[in-house]
Amino acid sequence: NAGVTQTPKFQVLKTGQSMTLQCAQDMNHNSMYWYRQDPGMGLRLIYYSASEGTTDKGEVPNGYNVSRLNKREFSLRLESAAPSQTSVYFCASRQGRDRADTEAFFGQGTRLTVV
Amino acid sequence: AQKVTQAQTEISVVEKEDVTLDCVYETRDTTYYLFWYKQPPSGELVFLIRRNSFDEQNEISGRYSWNFQKSTSSFNFTITASQVVDSAVYFCALSELETSGSRLTFGEGTQLTVNP
Repeated sequence: NAGVTQTPKFQVLKTGQSMTLQCAQDMNHNSMYWYRQDPGMGLRLIYYSASEGTTDKGEVPNGYNVSRLNKREFSLRLESAAPSQTSVYFCASRQGRDRADTEAFFGQGTRLTVV
Repeated sequence: AQKVTQAQTEISVVEKEDVTLDCVYETRDTTYYLFWYKQPPSGELVFLIRRNSFDEQNEISGRYSWNFQKSTSSFNFTITASQVVDSAVYFCALSELETSGSRLTFGEGTQLTVNP
């Protein structure tokens, strides 16, 4: 059982380049999340999808777009990367929707550097 | 809006000391859930505990204990007789049932270093 799988694990981009971070879960979870982790800032929510077909902005959505492709997959796109987007990105999923009590399961993270 | 504050950025202790990690939250909901996660140096996020807003009983699991107090909006985490393997970043998180659907908000994290 793979849980939450994120790709890639590492990426270096030049300023202005675009890329998509992929995330897939095999736990039949309704809700999926994208967070970024920066030193001293904790885990900040970028976007989330409470259920298939819905997406909502989190605390720091600017510069990002998301797609909930189906129940399993939730991708994060950087259209024009900026150095301020250098971070570690985590995808997570949980049963969610009307189950706010369920814990989230996390991917291994993507370390992104924008130069 | 939901918010979680972990005011202690870094804590350093010597092995076998007890240490308490603070977590303060803000919410308008009456039904909500609090979580603690551990992030060891390897980087993965590990779920430790969940608590719902109607259950203020303290919980103990081995050397770990959690103190939930609605009156002060706090959900603190104590490690008794700390060990080097406890060194990690610890995150507190909040999920509301009513107003924000499935949103899950984390605090800033506390970096705990346990020295031998």
